[in-house]
Amino acid sequence: ELKVEQNPLFLSMQEGKNYTIYCNYSTTSDRLYWYRQDPGKSLESLFVLLSNGAVKQEGRLMASLDTKARLSTLHITAAVHDLSATYFCAEPYNQGGKLIFGQGTELSVKP
Amino acid sequence: NAGVTQTPKFQVLKTGQSMTLQCAQDMNHNSMYWYRQDPGMGLRLIYYSASEGTTDKGEVPNGYNVSRLNKREFSLRLESAAPSQTSVYFCASNRRDRSSGNTIYFGEGSWLTVV
Repeated sequence: ELKVEQNPLFLSMQEGKNYTIYCNYSTTSDRLYWYRQDPGKSLESLFVLLSNGAVKQEGRLMASLDTKARLSTLHITAAVHDLSATYFCAEPYNQGGKLIFGQGTELSVKP
Repeated sequence: NAGVTQTPKFQVLKTGQSMTLQCAQDMNHNSMYWYRQDPGMGLRLIYYSASEGTTDKGEVPNGYNVSRLNKREFSLRLESAAPSQTSVYFCASNRRDRSSGNTIYFGEGSWLTVV
């Protein structure tokens, strides 16, 4: 069964703290997508990880991919309130851009 | 650039009514998709179209039909709406690049409530 599992599903953080969101997937794909969604909005692409060992960073967010472990991580450094959102990882399956999404991690950063 | 445009943004239907969600993209992409998003479940693929004139079922196709009218437009139809189809629907299109693979662009979403 194709499956993408994220944990935690809910994360309440204080500003300035670090934390990691984990994404486990079941396919043999060598790429992984991360999206951000604000309440009532569409999905915004954060990272596309294209190969084993890929690491990408944008501001306080850093994503990595380990295809052998079928694991991707999204690390948050020194969280700020603006990072409050729901974060999804997604794994392609078959060809043609079809994605299997994780359940999402709802992040709340409090002062 | 408009990107991926969906209409309507909000709709309330009565059980048994039918409606069509419209989606258009202006990026000349071949592949288009319809996803639904329910609380705690991420997005699930309903139908997709790899190219003009072709459509195929995704993970949760029951109760839906689609039409790929031309390269730009991909519509989703609910023939007889049920409360279980209350959801947020996202249309997406795909730009395929040799070096970076697939880049998926999402529309703004359509909030559908079936009462």
